[in-house]
Amino acid sequence: AQSVTQLDSQVPVFEEAPVELRCNYSSSVSVYLFWYVQYPNQGLQLLLKYLSGSTLVKGINGFEAEFNKSQTSFHLRKPSVHISDTAEYFCAVIGRDDKIIFGKGTRLHILP
Amino acid sequence: EAQVTQNPRYLITVTGKKLTVTCSQNMNHEYMSWYRQDPGLGLRQIYYSMNVEVTDKGDVPEGYKVSRKEKRNFPLILESPSPNQTSLYFCASSVKAGNIQYFGAGTRLSVL
Repeated sequence: AQSVTQLDSQVPVFEEAPVELRCNYSSSVSVYLFWYVQYPNQGLQLLLKYLSGSTLVKGINGFEAEFNKSQTSFHLRKPSVHISDTAEYFCAVIGRDDKIIFGKGTRLHILP
Repeated sequence: EAQVTQNPRYLITVTGKKLTVTCSQNMNHEYMSWYRQDPGLGLRQIYYSMNVEVTDKGDVPEGYKVSRKEKRNFPLILESPSPNQTSLYFCASSVKAGNIQYFGAGTRLSVL
C-alpha cells in the first residue's frame, strides 16, 4: 500500500531565507507526485507535479521539487520565501490504482 | 471560469438533523471526490465517483452518503450528523482518476 510522510508538521523560517519541506513516500510501483498549497481559508491549489522525465520540477511562485527515486523523496524547496508563502503544504502521491494519498501537511510560518 | 463550487461555505447544525453539502464542477470532469480535513490528520477521502452513477467508499465513509446522478454534481449527505463530523470538507474533481485534482473552497461544518 502507498503512503506519504511529511516529516515536519510545522516549519518556521525567516522571510527571504531558503526553505525545504520534506516528503517521503512508499510505493512498490511507479507513482505520480504532487505538491498542493492551501492558503488560509482557501481550498487546495496545485503547486507542482512530477509525472515523468526530468527529476527537477518547477512550479508556481518560485517553488521547485526534486524527485529522488532511490530515496523515495519529493522535497519541496524555495530559495527565498516571502510572507505571502504562509500556508499549509501537502504532498500527494498517485499510484497505479489511480488512488491519491495525501500527507498530513506542513504548515509554513514566515517570520519577519 | 473553470471551478468547483461548494455550498454552503459555513454550516452550523445540531446532532441528528439531516444536511446536504452540494458540489458542482463546470469542467466536464469524470472523477469527483469528497475529503475531510482535520488538524494533524491531513485530508482523508470520504467517497469518490469515477463517473455518473459510479460511486465508491474512500477511507472514512461511515456516516456519509453521496450520489452522482449528473456528471457535474456530487452532493455529500449526512443523514444523521454527529459532533465527530465537525470538520472542514472539500470537494474535488479531475478529468479522470489519477489526474490533477481541482478543489472547491471548502465547507466548514460544526455539529453541536
